[in-house]
Amino acid sequence: EPEVTQTPSHQVTQMGQEVILRCVPISNHLYFYWYRQILGQKVEFLVSFYNNEISEKSEIFDDQFSVERPDGSNFTLKIRSTKLEDSAMYFCASRSGGAFNEQFFGPGTRLTVL
Amino acid sequence: GQNIDQPTEMTATEGAIVQINCTYQTSGFNGLFWYQQHAGEAPTFLSYNVLDGLEEKGRFSSFLSRSKGYSYLLLKELQMKDSASYLCAVRDMDTDKLIFGTGTRLQVFP
Repeated sequence: EPEVTQTPSHQVTQMGQEVILRCVPISNHLYFYWYRQILGQKVEFLVSFYNNEISEKSEIFDDQFSVERPDGSNFTLKIRSTKLEDSAMYFCASRSGGAFNEQFFGPGTRLTVL
Repeated sequence: GQNIDQPTEMTATEGAIVQINCTYQTSGFNGLFWYQQHAGEAPTFLSYNVLDGLEEKGRFSSFLSRSKGYSYLLLKELQMKDSASYLCAVRDMDTDKLIFGTGTRLQVFP
């Protein structure tokens, strides 16, 4: 069964460093998302991406964040200068076309900022 | 504003039935999803309701009342592996982002 994959599974970084989180969505999907979940808290929407551009972004997704689909398969989230409060689990999700199709989530990348 | 409420924790016994409630107040509504999340893992899709009524899928059923802003997830014949968090999420009307509740942690005891 096709699935969303994410790398790395864990990333430890120093405050102020740049990180890139990578995702490979399901191959025929058209809509892509990043969510995050701080430990013990709810899943929060960051950004949605369709047709090679951002569809919507949340207040969390400030100038330090960017997304890119550099080729036909990868979808990346970059944090330019990490802060302690960026420590969280980051989930990539994708869905196919159609109004009501569910979003499939990847296994997540646990980001720890020291 | 956006507000989705679920109980924080529930316990139940193996073989029993449990109902997890979710109430929502959102500026728009385009469907309600239930996801299961085991600790440290990704949410996995369980069910989707966009019209009022009951959707049944094996041991899992989900109900929606749009006029009441209310949904529930019903789990029958509980198994130990059903111990997980259950996330209620509303899809925004104008976009398709999901707005999640805090989740209900269910513990199933033998």
